[in-house]
Order: sequence, then C-alpha cells, then structure tokens
Amino acid sequence: GDSVTQMEGPVTLSEEAFLTINCTYTATGYPSLFWYVQYPGEGLQLLLKATKADDKGSNKGFEATYRKETTSFHLEKGSVQVSDSAVYFCALRLTLTQGGSEKLVFGKGTKLTVNP
Amino acid sequence: GAGVSQSPSNKVTEKGKDVELRCDPISGHTALYWYRQSLGQGLEFLIYFQGNSAPDKSGLPSDRFSAERTGGSVSTLTIQRTQQEDSAVYLCASSLRADSPLHFGNGTRLTVT
Repeated sequence: GDSVTQMEGPVTLSEEAFLTINCTYTATGYPSLFWYVQYPGEGLQLLLKATKADDKGSNKGFEATYRKETTSFHLEKGSVQVSDSAVYFCALRLTLTQGGSEKLVFGKGTKLTVNP
Repeated sequence: GAGVSQSPSNKVTEKGKDVELRCDPISGHTALYWYRQSLGQGLEFLIYFQGNSAPDKSGLPSDRFSAERTGGSVSTLTIQRTQQEDSAVYLCASSLRADSPLHFGNGTRLTVT
C-alpha cells in the first residue's frame, strides 16, 4: 500500500546549523507530496508542497524537491532557528480519481529541537 | 478567520463508556478528515468525508468507531465501549476541495482510564 517513511527522530541541532530530514515514499500512481509542521501546542499546518516530479516546494526558508527517480522528498533548511523547533511530518496524496479517496498518508513525524 | 474547531479539547472517560468528539470545519470546506495521533505512531487516517458522504472509511479501527457529517458541515466521531488503546489525540482537518491543502484543528486528547 501507499506509505511514507521519514527519518527517526529526535533531531537536535544548534542554531544556524543545516537541517535535512529525509522522506521517501511508496505509492501507486503519481502522488502530491507535502511537509506539515506541528509547533508546540498548535495544530498541524502545511509547510510546503510539490505536485509533480522535479517541483520544488519552499516556505520560511525550508525547501524540498520532488524526486521521482529516488521516490524522495527530503526537507532542508540552510540555517535553522530556535523557532523552528517542532515536529515535521512528510505526507503524500494520490492524484484525484473520480469517487476515490483523497486522504493524506503521513509519516511518523520527526521531532526537531534547535538550541540557542 | 475561524479555523477548524474541535471539542472537547480534552476528554477523560472510563473504559466501556461511549464518547462523542465534535469537529466544526472551516465554512465552505467540502472535504473533512479524521485522523488519530498516538505517541510514536504518527497520524493514522480514520475516515474521509466529501460533503455528507464518506467515500473512504477504511481507517476506522473497528465497528466501535463511527462518524457522521451533517449539512456538509459539522462532523461527529463516536467511539462506543471505549478501550484503553483508544487513548490518543483525535485530529480533524478540512479542505476547500479534495485537492486543496488540509487545515487541522488542535485535536481532542482522549484518555481512557
């Protein structure tokens, strides 16, 4: 079945360090790919997305590129801040088919802590 | 503007009791989702509504779980005869259309004692 695998956490970095959180997927068809973020005490919110191969999603200094050949969507940021401390979830959604499900399939989440 | 609202925010119940969890989606959002978030398990899909119908109920763990949506708006997730393994955070999300980004509520934390 469709699934998302992301790197185990927790990840602890110092401020201004480079961040990579790996995400790979297995899917039938051609999924859209997403990163959601959950800040402490808040609900999940969309961070960025990519809908087709070679698309790059970006937001708040974070980037991820849809790599069909490696079925990956790794999240990167060049210089993390304390305020980036959160849990990050990679997710996929299959292309709309008539009458089909539009659910997102999520990875297990990666907790990031950034220390000053 | 108003986001997705879930109530209650916390619920403690005794094993064997029934519980109802409520979700008020963003006005005008046609798609509604329920997920369950357990420690170390990520987000587990439960059910998806498009309007009032549920094309995908595949994630409901057992027949003790049911959900409905009325008027294309409010949804209720009901868990009958709760068990300790039902303890989790239940998240609701809505989206404008099926292919739009999801907006999540803050969840209901259910504890079964």
